[in-house]
Amino acid sequence: DTAVSQTPKYLVTQMGNDKSIKCEQNLGHDTMYWYKQDSKKFLKIMFSYNNKELIINETVPNRFSPKSPDKAHLNLHINSLELGDSAVYFCASSQEGLAVSYNEQFFGPGTRLTVL
Amino acid sequence: AQRVTQPEKLLSVFKGAPVELKCNYSYSGSPELFWYVQYSRQRLQLLLRHISRESIKGFTADLNKGETSFHLKKPFAQEEDSAMYYCALSGRDTGRRALTFGSGTRLQVQP
Repeated sequence: DTAVSQTPKYLVTQMGNDKSIKCEQNLGHDTMYWYKQDSKKFLKIMFSYNNKELIINETVPNRFSPKSPDKAHLNLHINSLELGDSAVYFCASSQEGLAVSYNEQFFGPGTRLTVL
Repeated sequence: AQRVTQPEKLLSVFKGAPVELKCNYSYSGSPELFWYVQYSRQRLQLLLRHISRESIKGFTADLNKGETSFHLKKPFAQEEDSAMYYCALSGRDTGRRALTFGSGTRLQVQP
């Protein structure tokens, strides 16, 4: 019944490694997002996809590459991990369109990434 | 550019006391404002949105365009209200649906 799910929940890895975080939503939404929450709990948008098309890319290093194989999935691949990448990454989804006046986003549980 | 400011990192009150979590925004167009809440070990969830003018769990928030504010209020705080609260803005008229969050305010309600 989980609306937005992420795997893994925790990820501990060494600097320089490549890792992926997966996100799936079963709400039938057409827009998905990745947010980063740093150690001070500040949340910031990284990417946004609408119908598998990238619509927002917020000055994120090229080492981060989102991939959307279909509307229900938005994965985040990170190359050459750095210490500063340690954070909690949240996936979210929403339904867009003229008929939708709200923009309620549904969030996943988060993935806590620790880079050693 | 859009910006959301939550001036208080921590707000500590006693049970039964009134609560006001401040939020100010900067946006040139017509914004959508939201309050999201994150309880301990839980995911972020929507608490309130300005467009619906509703009261959820006793919380209300009114959009004041003159003061560019969207403060969250509750007349009598409960211990279960302890959580991290985020004010967020969406640029509805620009089609930019991604949320711009404030830095968050941790509400601690003491018994």
